[in-house]
Amino acid sequence: QLQLQESGPGLVKPSETLSLTCTVSGGSITIASHYWGWIRQPPGKGLEWIGSIYYSGNTYYNASLKSRVTISVDTSKDQFSLELSSVTAADTAVYFCVRQVEYSLGYRAHIIDHWGQGTLVTVSS
Amino acid sequence: QSVLTQPPSASGTPGQRVTISCSGSTSNIGSNPVNWYQQLPGTAPKLLIYSNNQRPSGVPDRFSGSKSGSSASLAISGLQSEDEADYYCAAWGDSPNGVVFGGGTKVTVL
Repeated sequence: QLQLQESGPGLVKPSETLSLTCTVSGGSITIASHYWGWIRQPPGKGLEWIGSIYYSGNTYYNASLKSRVTISVDTSKDQFSLELSSVTAADTAVYFCVRQVEYSLGYRAHIIDHWGQGTLVTVSS
Repeated sequence: QSVLTQPPSASGTPGQRVTISCSGSTSNIGSNPVNWYQQLPGTAPKLLIYSNNQRPSGVPDRFSGSKSGSSASLAISGLQSEDEADYYCAAWGDSPNGVVFGGGTKVTVL
């Protein structure tokens, strides 16, 4: 059974870089048509997709965050990571790592079928 | 401001049918299939409907989805107390590329 687990600091200072890692277990990160992504949810608010990566390194990023986001993958460890630079209080959120299954048949679909439990990251001095 | 538009809340009594709308544009819902996610309080979201109207294994057939043009809807028939949750629609956006979400609809069972 596939499991995703986020890890990283729960507290980050303003202007610094938020770094999280997601470890995938129960399956391989190098499966075809599977992207690995990050989604966040500020307290009491809705979901915001941050971006995703393929095992080959191909990435998609949310345009509104693209200038501050880097997602990378380490296939040898079945892990992928998120870096969000120059954080402010507005980046305080629960961060989920997810698996996105891509379908491309004249249309595009990314079905998010597995979620980590989420980790709360607070930006505060 | 979410890319897809959902009503913030919906409610019904046990046994009733509740419908949640999700409105987008030609660059997302109008071009690509819609997925729905259910988030129970304090938990991670869970895939509820994919490809407009398909249910993953284990999802009760009380949940159904549909799509027409650039809008989609989720219906919950025979509403139960355990259906009290937040529901999000999502689709792939073509311009720019990426997953776009609705703002979420909180369903209350009265």
